[in-house]
Amino acid sequence: KNEVEQSPQNLTAQEGEFITINCSYSVGISALHWLQQHPGGGIVSLFMLSSGKKKHGRLIATINIQEKHSSLHITASHPRDSAVYICAVNREGYGGATNKLIFGTGTLLAVQP
Amino acid sequence: NAGVMQNPRHLVRRRGQEARLRCSPMKGHSHVYWYRQLPEEGLKFMVYLQKENIIDESGMPKERFSAEFPKEGPSILRIQQVVRGDSAAYFCASSPARNTEAFFGQGTRLTVV
Repeated sequence: KNEVEQSPQNLTAQEGEFITINCSYSVGISALHWLQQHPGGGIVSLFMLSSGKKKHGRLIATINIQEKHSSLHITASHPRDSAVYICAVNREGYGGATNKLIFGTGTLLAVQP
Repeated sequence: NAGVMQNPRHLVRRRGQEARLRCSPMKGHSHVYWYRQLPEEGLKFMVYLQKENIIDESGMPKERFSAEFPKEGPSILRIQQVVRGDSAAYFCASSPARNTEAFFGQGTRLTVV
């Protein structure tokens, strides 16, 4: 079983829909990241969070440390949001946490016009 | 302040040749991480370096792979005697400190023919 699990693996939405991508992890962490990767493209860091909630534009990320769960929400989705969204965690207690990240397998999002 | 710069973006090597991948971290960042993304697989940590030091190379294959981050110049990931299984996207990330947000480069896509 992967230490970081994402669901769903694939998601198709209509433009304007509210989207939720989930991430569960089984290890102690110091922080969790949400990343975006366009096909053939680089990786963009969307959020780094260790508690609560963060918002940037139409994107919202939440984390529940007790439940070891995080969600990424996209409001008013748009075709340009189509990408792979990756959850990654900084493992805790590994000689002090570092950016030796453990990654989920990603969620492929397609937003149709 | 330029982002993390990786070059080349695309690299084609014949089996048995050497591949050298370069990563220039963001200005002020002294921590560099290399990750590999094999086709149809998620990202995996390879190595974590600070200037002139390898901090954690637990994700590096035991043979043919090496990394350095000299006092001057970019970090280099070197793959000797490449094989087809080395074909992947290699991403570099940098951060100003050990457990702060890491910023990713555009990646180098290595194809071994």
